[in-house]
Amino acid sequence: GAVVSQHPSRVICKSGTSVKIECRSLDFQATTMFWYRQFPKQSLMLMATSNEGSKATYEQGVEKDKFLINHASLTLSTLTVTSAHPEDSSFYICSATKGLAGDSDTQYFGPGTRLTVL
Amino acid sequence: GEDVEQSLFLSVREGDSSVINCTYTDSSSTYLYWYKQEPGAGLQLLTYIFSNMDMKQDQRLTVLLNKKDKHLSLRIADTQTGDSAIYFCAEKGGATNKLIFGTGTLLAVQP
Repeated sequence: GAVVSQHPSRVICKSGTSVKIECRSLDFQATTMFWYRQFPKQSLMLMATSNEGSKATYEQGVEKDKFLINHASLTLSTLTVTSAHPEDSSFYICSATKGLAGDSDTQYFGPGTRLTVL
Repeated sequence: GEDVEQSLFLSVREGDSSVINCTYTDSSSTYLYWYKQEPGAGLQLLTYIFSNMDMKQDQRLTVLLNKKDKHLSLRIADTQTGDSAIYFCAEKGGATNKLIFGTGTLLAVQP
């Protein structure tokens, strides 16, 4: 199997607060996890790539101090949106790869987290 | 940079075949994927094809790859109302393990 979960599925917060989103691989060890952002009716935009035990690699234009990523174990990565503002409202999706030879580095996606900042 | 394009919308009748098309620009793509996204949900991997293959069939799904034209298609046979969703193609370049996603095609299946 290759099941990825996210928690919470939906969160509403006030402007200026921080929100943490968890991404877990439930039945495999994920060597690499990815964080995406998706605006309504649009495609996925890669925010960052994280490998267990090392710093995340952020895509151009993504503020690393605003979107803190921690990948402390092979089954858990967290994304913290710091000092959230209404423009950060979006659908955040994580994915994970098994990193096995011959697995084509297939990315398995979580169900997403809907963040609404008031 | 890499670019992946899809038509935005496709409407079919239940029981017909659906064909969703995708074009990409990165000639060094190693794998190409099809994902399905239902409203408010994450992405479900449907199938993938290695770049040295022309075709892959998996039950109702058939993937065709024309590497020369950088064209990928997904055919869904006997389309059902439960197939209504957004379908994304994605390509993985040769140099990185990043996925570049297409714009997504909304498939509407009419009963």
